[in-house]
Amino acid sequence: AQSVTQLDSQVPVFEEAPVELRCNYSSSVSVYLFWYVQYPNQGLQLLLKYLSGSTLVKGINGFEAEFNKSQTSFHLRKPSVHISDTAEYFCAVKDTNAGKSTFGDGTTLTVKP
Amino acid sequence: EAGVVQSPRYKIIEKKQPVAFWCNPISGHNTLYWYLQNLGQGPELLIRYENEEAVDDSQLPKDRFSAERLKGVDSTLKIQPAELGDSAVYLCASSLRTAVTGELFFGEGSRLTVL
Repeated sequence: AQSVTQLDSQVPVFEEAPVELRCNYSSSVSVYLFWYVQYPNQGLQLLLKYLSGSTLVKGINGFEAEFNKSQTSFHLRKPSVHISDTAEYFCAVKDTNAGKSTFGDGTTLTVKP
Repeated sequence: EAGVVQSPRYKIIEKKQPVAFWCNPISGHNTLYWYLQNLGQGPELLIRYENEEAVDDSQLPKDRFSAERLKGVDSTLKIQPAELGDSAVYLCASSLRTAVTGELFFGEGSRLTVL
């Protein structure tokens, strides 16, 4: 079984500032890692994913994340946020040999002008 | 390419009434998921289909919830009777071969309010 802990439930930040959303996971097997974004009244959409290879992965809208196997973390970063980045962000983990994805409880990113 | 389509987007019912949600996945996606999303929480899997077969329904409360996926395409999730605690967003998602990338494509969700 896997579990995901998003360490911050809410992250307020000013526009053009950098941001980091933290995600730790627990699993006894190899996993794939994902970050999804959910805008108000919409479904989740994929920001980026780590499957294998380079531990630094880049996604849409200028986001990137780094996989750290020793610390079992997959933190999401953006060097300069925009108002439009205000949304809920979910970290998810999936067993490479099973079909179920497990999600964290989300981090609300609020970008202020 | 059309995305995952869900209906209705919003539903308000009184407790003990039945309710049904419909999902049309992305064409060619053989795996379909129903997730429950409570306020302030992440999605929790209710049931996963591989084509028309339910391969993981361990979290589905079978006393009141049921689901079907006829012909391996569209799916319906039903609650009968609904309880106050069922108020939540019901998300449908689909994907290609789950063991390859695991990326999920979500619909906009069906928000249920039980009064």
